[in-house]
Amino acid sequence: DVKVTQSSRYLVKRTGEKVFLECVQDMDHENMFWYRQDPGLGLRLIYFSYDVKMKEKGDIPEGYSVSREKKERFSLILESASTNQTSMYLCASTLGAGLSYGYTFGSGTRLTVV
Amino acid sequence: AQSVTQLDSHVSVSEGTPVLLRCNYSSSYSPSLFWYVQHPNKGLQLLLKYTSAATLVKGINGFEAEFKKSETSFHLTKPSAHMSDAAEYFCVVSFLYNTDKLIFGTGTRLQVFP
Repeated sequence: DVKVTQSSRYLVKRTGEKVFLECVQDMDHENMFWYRQDPGLGLRLIYFSYDVKMKEKGDIPEGYSVSREKKERFSLILESASTNQTSMYLCASTLGAGLSYGYTFGSGTRLTVV
Repeated sequence: AQSVTQLDSHVSVSEGTPVLLRCNYSSSYSPSLFWYVQHPNKGLQLLLKYTSAATLVKGINGFEAEFKKSETSFHLTKPSAHMSDAAEYFCVVSFLYNTDKLIFGTGTRLQVFP
């Protein structure tokens, strides 16, 4: 089975800190995604990547950046954390175009910014 | 604009009774449709997917969904609920013109009472 691993299950950070959320997949998937999940809002796409060193903005990229230096690793960066970035963050990957494969999700990182 | 609507934020059923979780989508294009389940403190797991083949789709754990183009619906059903079905369920849409992005519904929380 494909495995998507998010390095931290829970994180607590202070306002203004630079925060790194790491995601690693082990099945040579082309596409990787970062979502945030908030009650009543479902999942919203922050950034995604089709390939190494490639990135595309999703629906809510403000306040975030990403890095994909290696195919298996996709990092989400909060340049200066703010309290409104307190949320559950989910990483996902998919093999190709995505339509027929579905997505594999990590278990999530619950980030609290104080 | 493309969108997906889950008509109920909460559904409560008794164990052994049928489950119906409703989902409608809006699109000018041919969609691919998915249902994902999220158990507490877990990542999202793919239940089933529709990608323009049979309109009645069978998934894991006894769930199934029927794609009805005329009603733009993709409701999730199960004949007999089990306690372990208690979770949050997301209806998800992907569109052919943009094959690598998913649009999530806001989720339906299913409670199962003994």
